[in-house]
Amino acid sequence: DAGVTQSPTHLIKTRGQQVTLRCSPKSGHDTVSWYQQALGQGPQFIFQYYEEEERQRGNFPDRFSGHQFPNYSSELNVNALLLGDSALYLCASSWGPGANTEAFFGQGTRLTVV
Amino acid sequence: QKEVEQDPGPLSVPEGAIVSLNCTYSNSAFQYFMWYRQYSRKGPELLMYTYSSGNKEDGRFTAQVDKSSKYISLFIRDSQPSDSATYLCAMSSNTNAGKSTFGDGTTLTVKP
Repeated sequence: DAGVTQSPTHLIKTRGQQVTLRCSPKSGHDTVSWYQQALGQGPQFIFQYYEEEERQRGNFPDRFSGHQFPNYSSELNVNALLLGDSALYLCASSWGPGANTEAFFGQGTRLTVV
Repeated sequence: QKEVEQDPGPLSVPEGAIVSLNCTYSNSAFQYFMWYRQYSRKGPELLMYTYSSGNKEDGRFTAQVDKSSKYISLFIRDSQPSDSATYLCAMSSNTNAGKSTFGDGTTLTVKP
């Protein structure tokens, strides 16, 4: 049973560019949440997707957008990259969008903006 | 002030020691409490998941939640070098379902 998979594992982009990160949830899970983890800090919630809609959003600008596909996989898009967007981007999957469900994380995509 | 504050560490203990990791929080709506272990440059791994107040034990790990004090703890018995990692506490509420709020982590080193 595959866990949460993310691609790519590492990425280097230039300021101003756009990036797309991908996530496949754990088998049986239908909800995907995205987090940003800066070095030395805990993950910060970006948004959550369930039934192909954004259900919850954290305190992130509109440059951060996402999508969920019918097979429950998800993409995170970041436009107009800033140096401060350099971080580990984590995807977590769960069954259902509620707080009473356990979330499992992927290994993350490390984004470096130069 | 952050909603979740975690003892920053770092923490260094000898093998076999009992380790105590702690978080405090300010949002009384939090009802679900999690502990994750994160190895360097990897994603967080769910260790413990508890609801409301009380204790939960799983092998060498015990999670405690005291909602009256807004304080949670993770105890690790008979610590092993393989327990060396960063430990993250996380919390969520029904009113903001699906969004977990994390502490900044405590880095633990268990020396052989």
